[in-house]
Amino acid sequence: DVKVTQSSRYLVKRTGEKVFLECVQDMDHENMFWYRQDPGLGLRLIYFSYDVKMKEKGDIPEGYSVSREKKERFSLILESASTNQTSMYLCASSLRRLGLAGARSYNEQFFGPGTRLTVL
Amino acid sequence: AQTVTQSQPEMSVQEAETVTLSCTYDTSENNYYLFWYKQPPSRQMILVIRQEAYKQQNATENRFSVNFQKAAKSFSLKISDSQLGDTAMYFCAFMKILVYGNKLVFGAGTILRVKS
Repeated sequence: DVKVTQSSRYLVKRTGEKVFLECVQDMDHENMFWYRQDPGLGLRLIYFSYDVKMKEKGDIPEGYSVSREKKERFSLILESASTNQTSMYLCASSLRRLGLAGARSYNEQFFGPGTRLTVL
Repeated sequence: AQTVTQSQPEMSVQEAETVTLSCTYDTSENNYYLFWYKQPPSRQMILVIRQEAYKQQNATENRFSVNFQKAAKSFSLKISDSQLGDTAMYFCAFMKILVYGNKLVFGAGTILRVKS
């Protein structure tokens, strides 16, 4: 089974702190993603990475940065946390290329359990 | 840019009955995938069903089926014989195919409560 783990289920930080959210996957997936989930807004893509040291901005990258030094690990960094970054953060991973018809797992994104971050 | 709209913030259904969740999307792409994900109270996102845009036949997975209307850009989820374990947030998602991978755009979600 694909396993995506996130370093914390719950995290409480203070305004201005530097925050690291870690995500690890064990299936050798090339692509990794960070989403933010807010009520009424669904999941929104913050950043994604399609290879080691490669990153692309998603729809809401402001206030965030990412790091991917190893294939299995993708970190989300809040340089100076603010109260409007209080949210649920979900990490996901997937294989890069689409498989043949019927190879369902090839384009599926597998999600971690989420980190609920509160910034006070 | 792609958008996904789920017009029903909350729905409820009696156990063993059938319920349909609505989803519409907007895109100029011709090659894409559509998904329904389930997020139970445990928060773990689980893929429910997938539809390839190039396929006319509607996808089915046991009690779950979709009504895919490509021209209308509509992708509804039907849950038959609802069970208490179906209680969850359901997200409709559009997958854009990229050269180096893929990108998901999610709707706002529909909370489904199954009542005994």
